[in-house]
Amino acid sequence: QSALTQPASVSGSPGQSITISCTGTSSDVESYNLVSWYQQHPGKAPKLMIYEGVKRPSGVSNRFSGSKSGNTASLTISGLQAEDEADYYCYSYAGTSTRVFGGGTKLTVL
Amino acid sequence: QVQLVQSGAEMKKPGASVTVSCKASGYTFTTYGISWVRQAPGQGLEWLGWISTYKGNTQYTQKLQGRITMTRETSTSTAYMELWSLRSDDSAVYYCARGEEFCTGGVCYTRYYFDQWGQGTLVTVSS
Repeated sequence: QSALTQPASVSGSPGQSITISCTGTSSDVESYNLVSWYQQHPGKAPKLMIYEGVKRPSGVSNRFSGSKSGNTASLTISGLQAEDEADYYCYSYAGTSTRVFGGGTKLTVL
Repeated sequence: QVQLVQSGAEMKKPGASVTVSCKASGYTFTTYGISWVRQAPGQGLEWLGWISTYKGNTQYTQKLQGRITMTRETSTSTAYMELWSLRSDDSAVYYCARGEEFCTGGVCYTRYYFDQWGQGTLVTVSS
C-alpha cells in the first residue's frame, strides 16, 4: 500500500488561507470518508485536527477545515497564524490491516 | 485529563528485541483501542498496527508481520508493543495513540483516527 501523496511544502503569509491536498486511490481516500489530519510541531507528538474527512475535534480552531473530492482530501487553514507553522499529515483507512499516512507537508508561515 | 505515557528511550543492537509500554490514564482503558505509529528520523509517520484493549485482538501492518506483537494488561491500563529481530531501519520514535475502536455497552464501533497520543519513545538500533 503506497503512501498518500501530499505536497512536500506549502507556504502563506499571516492572515491568508492555504490548502494542503492528500491524493489517494480508489482503495482508500475515494472509497471511505475516513481521512484524518494531524499537525506536528518539531519534537512533538502529532495532534488531531480533522477526522472523518470534515469533523473538527473539540478545542481545534474553526480556522481548520477538511473536504474531499474523489480521491483527494484537502485541509484548509484560513487566517494563517505563526503558530500554524508545522508539518501536516493526512491518514486514511485502506482496508483490513491496512492504513496509510501521507508523506507529510511542511507549512511555512512567511 | 486523558494521558498516554510511554516508556523511556531504548538503545538496541541489531537482532535484539525491544518492548515499548504505553500507560493510559484519565479514561476507561478498555473503551478505546490503542494503535502504534512510528517515525524514522526526518521522515513521515508509519502505521504499525493496533490492539483492541476490550477484546485483545490485533492487526499488524503486513510489512512487520512476524516481527511485531502488541499486547495489553487491563489491570494496569497498559499497552505494549514488542518488535524483534531489530534492524537499523527500525530506528525511530514509536508512538502509541488512542483510536481504531470505541467500545461501550459491550458493543465496539470503528474509529479510524487518533485523538490522543503518547509522548513518543526513541528506539535506536546500532551496533
